[in-house]
Amino acid sequence: DAGVIQSPRHEVTEMGQEVTLRCKPISGHDYLFWYRQTMMRGLELLIYFNNNVPIDDSGMPEDRFSAKMPNASFSTLKIQPSEPRDSAVYFCASRQRRGGKNIQYFGAGTRLSVL
Amino acid sequence: ELKVEQNPLFLSMQEGKNYTIYCNYSTTSDRLYWYRQDPGKSLESLFVLLSNGAVKQEGRLMASLDTKARLSTLHITAAVHDLSATYFCAVDQYNTDKLIFGTGTRLQVFP
Repeated sequence: DAGVIQSPRHEVTEMGQEVTLRCKPISGHDYLFWYRQTMMRGLELLIYFNNNVPIDDSGMPEDRFSAKMPNASFSTLKIQPSEPRDSAVYFCASRQRRGGKNIQYFGAGTRLSVL
Repeated sequence: ELKVEQNPLFLSMQEGKNYTIYCNYSTTSDRLYWYRQDPGKSLESLFVLLSNGAVKQEGRLMASLDTKARLSTLHITAAVHDLSATYFCAVDQYNTDKLIFGTGTRLQVFP
């Protein structure tokens, strides 16, 4: 399996622009998680989905952030409008259904810079 | 609210030496994970500890779990430069699907 695939790997944009990050989970995984990593706040869970349905979005910082999962093989995280404080590395992770080891597998991340 | 604390935050050690990273968590959990992150890279799963007293070993790394003390340790034996990375512990938040991550321990091994 190719693992969790994220795109783009790097994104540089100007304040106020819309940013869309993409994620393809591992085939057969029922859960998908979006995280944000910064030096100041560490690794934070933003939102997660189970069977394409958002379960908990309490970590989404503001209404400027939205996430969708239209099908089992694709999810997006959108920031509109973007601000410099959104600069971070955004990771997507996926996991099989509950039970067993429940290991989350992470994508390579998208490094976002908002100027 | 589940809190996960790691110490030390930064560890600089000489090759060949032994050291331990500690991970404390604040509430009941039935799974604990250790991940490794190389600079600029993603997180890679190292160990999953599923029960009290569980011990897992891979090469120079050994992880253990004491659920009564809410403590996990990651022991490094005879460190080598290739182990230089940031190590995270993460705990399943009970009755949810969330993983709560510790702050990470940045390990630097020098000759």
